[in-house]
Formats: sequence, C-alpha cells, structure tokens
Amino acid sequence: DAGVTQSPTHLIKTRGQQVTLRCSPKSGHDTVSWYQQALGQGPQFIFQYYEEEERQRGNFPDRFSGHQFPNYSSELNVNALLLGDSALYLCASSSGLAGWSSHEQYFGPGTRLTVT
Amino acid sequence: AQSVSQHNHHVILSEAASLELGCNYSYGGTVNLFWYVQYPGQHLQLLLKYFSGDPLVKGIKGFEAEFIKSKFSFNLRKPSVQWSDTAEYFCAVNEGSGYALNFGKGTSLLVTP
Repeated sequence: DAGVTQSPTHLIKTRGQQVTLRCSPKSGHDTVSWYQQALGQGPQFIFQYYEEEERQRGNFPDRFSGHQFPNYSSELNVNALLLGDSALYLCASSSGLAGWSSHEQYFGPGTRLTVT
Repeated sequence: AQSVSQHNHHVILSEAASLELGCNYSYGGTVNLFWYVQYPGQHLQLLLKYFSGDPLVKGIKGFEAEFIKSKFSFNLRKPSVQWSDTAEYFCAVNEGSGYALNFGKGTSLLVTP
C-alpha cells in the first residue's frame, strides 16, 4: 500500500524565483492538504484540495497556489520566493468522504526548500 | 486567536519512566483531536485520535490520551517509556466545521537508557 509521496526531497532556490512541489496521495485517498513547517515549529496549514478545487485555505498569501489533478495528485506553487519561505513543505492525504475519515490525514516525508 | 499549546518543548526521561505531555487548545466548538509523532528521520505518523465517545483513547505503541472538555485539554500519556519513544510529538486540533489541522509547536522527547 503506497503511502504519500512527495518530490523533490530537497530544493534550493534563489529569492524571487518560483518553485513547484509535487505530491501523490496515499492509495484510496482523494484529498490533499499542504502544510509548511518552519524549523522548530509545528506544521501550518496552507490549503486543501478536493475534487480539483481548493476547499479551505489557511493564512498564506496569494503567492502560494495549488492544483489538483484528476488522478488526485497535487502541486504546490510558490511565486516570488522570500527567504522566509525556507521550510519543510508537507503534503497530507485523506478521504474526502463525509464523516470522521475526512479529518484523518496521512503525511508524506516532505520537501525541504531552502531559499538563498 | 485560536491556538494549540504544548506546554513542554523539551522533555528528557529515563527508560521506564512515565510520560505525560500537555496539550491545550482554544477552540470553543466541536473539535477533533490528534497526536502525531515524528521519529528521527521519519515522517509524521498518527499516534492516536479522538472524534467522539469515550474521552480516554488508546493509540499505537502503548500511548493513550484523555480529552477533558472542561479544560480544553488532550494530554498524551504512556506508563513506561522506551528508548525507541525518542521523537518529536505534535498535538493537532481540527475544528469540526473545517478541514485544517492546527498543530502545536511540538515536544521533543529524549529517552535515555
């Protein structure tokens, strides 16, 4: 049973550049959430995608955008990178069906983004 | 502002000692509660969860947590820790009406032999 996978593992970008991170959900899951985890902090919710639509968004600027594909995989795009965007970006998947299972999220290993 | 607070940032215990990690939240409505664990070099894993019913929930590896609604708390416990419990522990809260998990800052647990 394949878990949540993310690519790339590590990424180094320069301030002002744009970056795209990718995520494939756990088998059987159709919902993808993205989180940012700064060093020494807990993950912070960026947004969640379900049925190819952004279902909920956290307190992040419009520079952060996403997409979900028909196969449920997802991309996180960050434009105009700032030094403060350096963090571990986590993808989590869940089942979008109503009920408790929709709140139980399974996390991938993350992508470590360094902005110089 | 709504938040999740974990009282201890760093905890050091000897093997066989008992563990209790505190978690408080400030959401007023229906909540779903989680504890996640991150072992060194591994990704976040779900340790246990509470949605409704018995406020004492049991998770994997001998962990349990108690939901006390009047105290807005969801503390994690283990009667006897092992060296392999060394990890980062995160409390997370989901407001019943939303989909986001709101995490605390985490507690780093070191268990010494």
